[in-house]
Amino acid sequence: AQKVTQAQTEISVVEKEDVTLDCVYETRDTTYYLFWYKQPPSGELVFLIRRNSFDEQNEISGRYSWNFQKSTSSFNFTITASQVVDSAVYFCALSERTAGGTSYGKLTFGQGTILTVHP
Amino acid sequence: DVKVTQSSRYLVKRTGEKVFLECVQDMDHENMFWYRQDPGLGLRLIYFSYDVKMKEKGDIPEGYSVSREKKERFSLILESASTNQTSMYLCASAIGGVGNQPQHFGDGTRLSIL
Repeated sequence: AQKVTQAQTEISVVEKEDVTLDCVYETRDTTYYLFWYKQPPSGELVFLIRRNSFDEQNEISGRYSWNFQKSTSSFNFTITASQVVDSAVYFCALSERTAGGTSYGKLTFGQGTILTVHP
Repeated sequence: DVKVTQSSRYLVKRTGEKVFLECVQDMDHENMFWYRQDPGLGLRLIYFSYDVKMKEKGDIPEGYSVSREKKERFSLILESASTNQTSMYLCASAIGGVGNQPQHFGDGTRLSIL
């Protein structure tokens, strides 16, 4: 069975600090996708990034960066120079295939990490 | 921009009632999903649909059913609501075909069963 673990339940930082959110996954698939979503207080999950299992290049988007390491089954997310608007719940998720090999994009989510950035 | 609309932000129902949660998407997506979100458990998949009238069980389907009569609409039904179904319910849609496309979520329905 697929599993995603976000060991950090809550993180609290002061504005302008860098913060890393950890994500560890388990899967038997050789082809899979990993995602990060942000859930602000308004409730709607916002898609941040998708990474496939064959692409281990790190990605940077503004203050956000992602470090994908297949060797340790981790897909960590770093926010540089955090801001109050980054306060949210962040979810890491893994996309699985059905037994027949078809993927409908079903997601297995981690428990989420609550990030609070104080001014 | 993809818009996924859930019919209610907040809903209060009584034990034993039949409850309908509605979700509509405007991007002609093939795949639609219903999740429930509980503190410390993340999001758990209840049911999903990959085409009109097609549905598959997710991880926690017990006590729920779904209906997809039109491509844009995916309904979650609590056949006989119970207090342990008090939760936040999130609907999502995604492009079908080759899978693993990002899912787009609605704002959620916070359901309380008294």
